[in-house]
Amino acid sequence: AQKVTQAQTEISVVEKEDVTLDCVYETRDTTYYLFWYKQPPSGELVFLIRRNSFDEQNEISGRYSWNFQKSTSSFNFTITASQVVDSAVYFCALSDRDGANSKLTFGKGITLSVRP
Amino acid sequence: GAVVSQHPSRVICKSGTSVKIECRSLDFQATTMFWYRQFPKKSLMLMATSNEGSKATYEQGVEKDKFLINHASLTLSTLTVTSAHPEDSSFYICSAREWLLSSYNEQFFGPGTRLTVL
Repeated sequence: AQKVTQAQTEISVVEKEDVTLDCVYETRDTTYYLFWYKQPPSGELVFLIRRNSFDEQNEISGRYSWNFQKSTSSFNFTITASQVVDSAVYFCALSDRDGANSKLTFGKGITLSVRP
Repeated sequence: GAVVSQHPSRVICKSGTSVKIECRSLDFQATTMFWYRQFPKKSLMLMATSNEGSKATYEQGVEKDKFLINHASLTLSTLTVTSAHPEDSSFYICSAREWLLSSYNEQFFGPGTRLTVL
């Protein structure tokens, strides 16, 4: 069975601080996909990144960066110089190997509050 | 591209009535659609997976007769909450997947529908 653990439930930082959101996953598949989504107060999920299990390169996109380590089954997300607009719930998700009905398993989410 | 819409965005109904929520893929053909439920401050829980033209596959614990799913066309899936009760109040989110678009297994999410049952 697949499982995604986001041990942090709520994080509060002051603007311009860096913050790392942790994600640990479990799967028996050798091919799988990892995702991060942002859910602002409006409720709509915003796709941030997708990573397949064969690509362990870290990725940077502006103030966002992701660290994927298969050895520790982790896919952590760092926001550099956080801003108030980053306040949201962040979900890490796991999908098994590609297939028409393959499902997304979500973590419980981390509520990030960025204070001015 | 890859836009998914939901209608209505918000609905309030009386206990015992049925509510239909529509999920549409606007610029692609959705071979598979998923329905999720999210309680306040909780994660998304998959309710069912539907493929166009066939019956939905429900997750364990989800009542098929309570949550009717129809995926009659490649751009539309509907979720009907029958005889709604206050405990059905939740945020319902659909997502859609098109085989060719989703070479990386991505689902495109709708904006969600907030259901309140009085």
